[in-house]
Amino acid sequence: GAVVSQHPSWVICKSGTSVKIECRSLDFQATTMFWYRQFPKQSLMLMATSNEGSKATYEQGVEKDKFLINHASLTLSTLTVTSAHPEDSSFYICSARSLLNQPQHFGDGTRLSIL
Amino acid sequence: RKEVEQDPGPFNVPEGATVAFNCTYSNSASQSFFWYRQDCRKEPKLLMSVYSSGNEDGRFTAQLNRASQYISLLIRDSKLSDSATYLCVVNADSWGKLQFGAGTQVVVTP
Repeated sequence: GAVVSQHPSWVICKSGTSVKIECRSLDFQATTMFWYRQFPKQSLMLMATSNEGSKATYEQGVEKDKFLINHASLTLSTLTVTSAHPEDSSFYICSARSLLNQPQHFGDGTRLSIL
Repeated sequence: RKEVEQDPGPFNVPEGATVAFNCTYSNSASQSFFWYRQDCRKEPKLLMSVYSSGNEDGRFTAQLNRASQYISLLIRDSKLSDSATYLCVVNADSWGKLQFGAGTQVVVTP
């Protein structure tokens, strides 16, 4: 089945550090990738939608200068949390799909803890 | 009002029993519906898509009621490994943007 790899799985770093998270589709070409954030006992919240070769579309309330997204190839998207602060601590999950009507397949998530 | 609403549970289910729960959605234009399973501190995994006529996958049966805007999931012969949070997911627009419910927790007990 479709496999999406996300790296790293867990990050602990100091406030002010920038953190880069990678999302790779391993066995299919992902024309669209999505980045979500999930706080404990809450639903996944879409942060941005990323199409290969174009700028990401951010959801309302998500700062594009803080959460930099790059989708340079059909198998790789990256999310960089710039100058992270404790309130950015969360579970970040990417997903990818090949075609519009296909289900999204999720990476295994990155647990980000900012001290 | 949330776009996708679910009973958070937990639903405590004896092993071997049947459990069912619903999810309501607000966007009447939604076309695609899914159930995902999420284990604690893990990523969501697709359990099954939900089709208009209802569909079954082993012990899992999903139904869609467009008139009342809800979908349901039924688990028969519950196993301990079925313990998880079940996420109701609805396609929000023509671009494939998904909306997630907060999940229904199911706990299967021996």
